[in-house]
Amino acid sequence: NAGVTQTPKFRVLKTGQSMTLLCAQDMNHEYMYWYRQDPGMGLRLIHYSVGEGTTAKGEVPDGYNVSRLKKQNFLLGLESAAPSQTSVYFCASSPGSPTEAFFGQGTRLTVV
Amino acid sequence: GENVEQHPSTLSVQEGDSAVIKCTYSDSASNYFPWYKQELGKGPQLIIDIRSNVGEKKDQRIAVTLNKTAKHFSLHITETQPEDSAVYFCAAVGSIKIIFGKGTRLHILP
Repeated sequence: NAGVTQTPKFRVLKTGQSMTLLCAQDMNHEYMYWYRQDPGMGLRLIHYSVGEGTTAKGEVPDGYNVSRLKKQNFLLGLESAAPSQTSVYFCASSPGSPTEAFFGQGTRLTVV
Repeated sequence: GENVEQHPSTLSVQEGDSAVIKCTYSDSASNYFPWYKQELGKGPQLIIDIRSNVGEKKDQRIAVTLNKTAKHFSLHITETQPEDSAVYFCAAVGSIKIIFGKGTRLHILP
């Protein structure tokens, strides 16, 4: 069982470069989330989606865009990376709310 | 906006002793309170949860209590073991968004 898979696991970007993080889930979950984890800050919600074709902003959406063209995939984009976006990014999915969310293994992104 | 406060940020206990982590939340609409454990290099994993119509729930060595009036909920781990060393997150869920506390790093001392 794959569960929630994040691609890539590690990435180093130069300031100003763009990239897309991919999250894929095989559990037919409706809800998907993107979080960033920074030391001492816990998990902060960037964007979320309650179904295919829908997205919404979380606590810290600035500098990020998302898309949910297919139910199983939730993409997180950085158009022009900044050092402040150096973080570990986690994707999660849930069959609905409120109930358990399942997390991916994370993507460690460094912006230099 | 919604906020979850979690204390302490770091906790060290002797193996075999109990550990308690406390959280408070601000959104009165929150009705589901999960606890996640995160081991090094991994994503958070659910260990126990409680819904607003229940005051306490227990699963072997771990238990969670909820006081909706005071907007407090707590995680209790008894007879701690080395494998309990990890970062623990509380969260509060209302309609859609899962809002996490900042986490507690639990160290189990030999």
